[in-house]
Amino acid sequence: LAKTTQPISMDSYEGQEVNITCSHNNIATNDYITWYQQFPSQGPRFIIQGYKTKVTNEVASLFIPADRKSSTLSLPRVSLSDTAVYYCLVGDYPGNTGKLIFGQGTTLQVKP
Amino acid sequence: EPEVTQTPSHQVTQMGQEVILRCVPISNHLYFYWYRQILGQKVEFLVSFYNNEISEKSEIFDDQFSVERPDGSNFTLKIRSTKLEDSAMYFCASQVTGGGQPQHFGDGTRLSIL
Repeated sequence: LAKTTQPISMDSYEGQEVNITCSHNNIATNDYITWYQQFPSQGPRFIIQGYKTKVTNEVASLFIPADRKSSTLSLPRVSLSDTAVYYCLVGDYPGNTGKLIFGQGTTLQVKP
Repeated sequence: EPEVTQTPSHQVTQMGQEVILRCVPISNHLYFYWYRQILGQKVEFLVSFYNNEISEKSEIFDDQFSVERPDGSNFTLKIRSTKLEDSAMYFCASQVTGGGQPQHFGDGTRLSIL
């Protein structure tokens, strides 16, 4: 599974757009990029997944450049409730052995 | 929206005792997982389960651990003889199919070993 690197922490203010970048230089052809969010004392929650270019859902956007060696999770107009740890995961999750390998994630602190 | 439920939310057990953590995955999901998170550390994979058998397990998942899907709805993790270092949050996750589908996590059981 490709190793990922993301900032340990980020601060933002309510109403701002937040972009969290993840580096995955050794991403393989079959690998997808997936982001999870975790609030204190809760399980990780799936946010978004993509393979290339741009993916958008009701929560976030995911930007993946052509070389796929990095990706950026974009959270529009964050609120205090977006304070959480954000994990970038890369893998092809083959068949029925789809274990997720979590790193330390990025702790996002949203301030009023 | 369907969700994964875990019970109990907090379990306190004496060292050496057996503990069973329970999970009810989302009803049409076929792949099941256990993860743990020691306080302040990363979420770690323990085991995956499909078609009534273990698909993969980590080195953490030693002979003291076992998993079972005793009926069509529950998925359990048993620790036979707990150690102090087993204290952690244990998360159950389920997945509708394999191959990159998102995993849905429960909110965990906090296991405290005294």
